[in-house]
Amino acid sequence: QKEVEQNSGPLSVPEGAIASLNCTYSDRGSQSFFWYRQYSGKSPELIMSIYSNGDKEDGRFTAQLNKASQYVSLLIRDSQPSDSATYLCAVSLMDSSYKLIFGSGTRLLVRP
Amino acid sequence: SAVISQKPSRDICQRGTSLTIQCQVDSQVTMMFWYRQQPGQSLTLIATANQGSEATYESGFVIDKFPISRPNLTFSTLTVSNMSPEDSSIYLCSVAAFRTSGKLGTDTQYFGPGTRLTVL
Repeated sequence: QKEVEQNSGPLSVPEGAIASLNCTYSDRGSQSFFWYRQYSGKSPELIMSIYSNGDKEDGRFTAQLNKASQYVSLLIRDSQPSDSATYLCAVSLMDSSYKLIFGSGTRLLVRP
Repeated sequence: SAVISQKPSRDICQRGTSLTIQCQVDSQVTMMFWYRQQPGQSLTLIATANQGSEATYESGFVIDKFPISRPNLTFSTLTVSNMSPEDSSIYLCSVAAFRTSGKLGTDTQYFGPGTRLTVL
């Protein structure tokens, strides 16, 4: 059973702080990793993808990948109340068929 | 990214009836996926819909309950058959857009706005 684990939260941070969201996965052969943001009542929106070990930065967002530890994280700098949402980690399966396995999501609350 | 639309956006249905959800994409895509998101839960893949072949269903989902059509590269439908209150969920379609590196992988999936289904 391939799994993606996330802390459900809520993770509460003050406005302007760094929010750190974490995800672990069980399929050692996974090649592609994604972070989606989902506002209440809306569909998931892709915010970051990462394929290689290390960091990938895009604006206020940084994705970090460590394949040896089977760990992927998302850092949000200068958090804003508009960042309050559920963040879903998604991981590809090595056997592909181009399927993604989603974690249960971490709810982030940014306090003004 | 692709622009994806779904119809209907929401519906309230009676037990025992069926509902067909449409997914339209503004560009041709090879792979389309149908997901279910039950209240307070994450996304669960129902099936992969490829043009020109039968849909591939995940464990726990069967064609008789969730028949899927994929008549061309921009359109797919999911039918929820013989509905019960347990089918009350958000149903989402997604499409895969591949990187050009040729590296095998899932690559990026983009989601439609979803269909919120309530079964009474």
